[in-house]
Amino acid sequence: NAGVMQNPRHLVRRRGQEARLRCSPMKGHSHVYWYRQLPEEGLKFMVYLQKENIIDESGMPKERFSAEFPKEGPSILRIQQVVRGDSAAYFCASSPPDRGMYEQYFGPGTRLTVT
Amino acid sequence: AQSVTQLDSQVPVFEEAPVELRCNYSSSVSVYLFWYVQYPNQGLQLLLKYLSGSTLVKGINGFEAEFNKSQTSFHLRKPSVHISDTAEYFCAVSVAYSSASKIIFGSGTRLSIRP
Repeated sequence: NAGVMQNPRHLVRRRGQEARLRCSPMKGHSHVYWYRQLPEEGLKFMVYLQKENIIDESGMPKERFSAEFPKEGPSILRIQQVVRGDSAAYFCASSPPDRGMYEQYFGPGTRLTVT
Repeated sequence: AQSVTQLDSQVPVFEEAPVELRCNYSSSVSVYLFWYVQYPNQGLQLLLKYLSGSTLVKGINGFEAEFNKSQTSFHLRKPSVHISDTAEYFCAVSVAYSSASKIIFGSGTRLSIRP
């Protein structure tokens, strides 16, 4: 059973460009979570999605950030017009239904560098 | 709201010595508690978790943690560390019996093992 997959593992963008981060959950998992880890800090919750629904986006910056988890395909975290402060590691986690509060499996992360 | 405090940002230890990484949490409701390990440039791996029952929890790689409700602590211990334990360790909580499902992380403790 493959784990949570994230790609790309490393992404370099210039200021003003768009970044698209992809996350494929574990097989059988319909819930996805995105977290951001700034340098020298812990992970901070961004958004919680189920298929075609955003359940909790209380941790998402109000502008430039969006997330989706379509019926088919991976979950996408999209950052428009990136700035240097967006440089961070972005982790995706997935869980089976109704077990996210105690059973989340993390992917290897995407390290975004904005130049 | 829930919060997690990791009291030590860095802990240097000699190889084969015991180690304790401290974690305190704040919550007015029941929580689940976790310890994750992050090796350099990698994702998070679950070491152990407390959901209910016995307050002493054993995890992988010889680690264990004790849940102390009166002191709101969940300290991580290992009786004898190895060079391979060099990593960042994160304590985390989530709200029990909640659909919110977000995990709240501490700021991390960097464990460095000296030969």
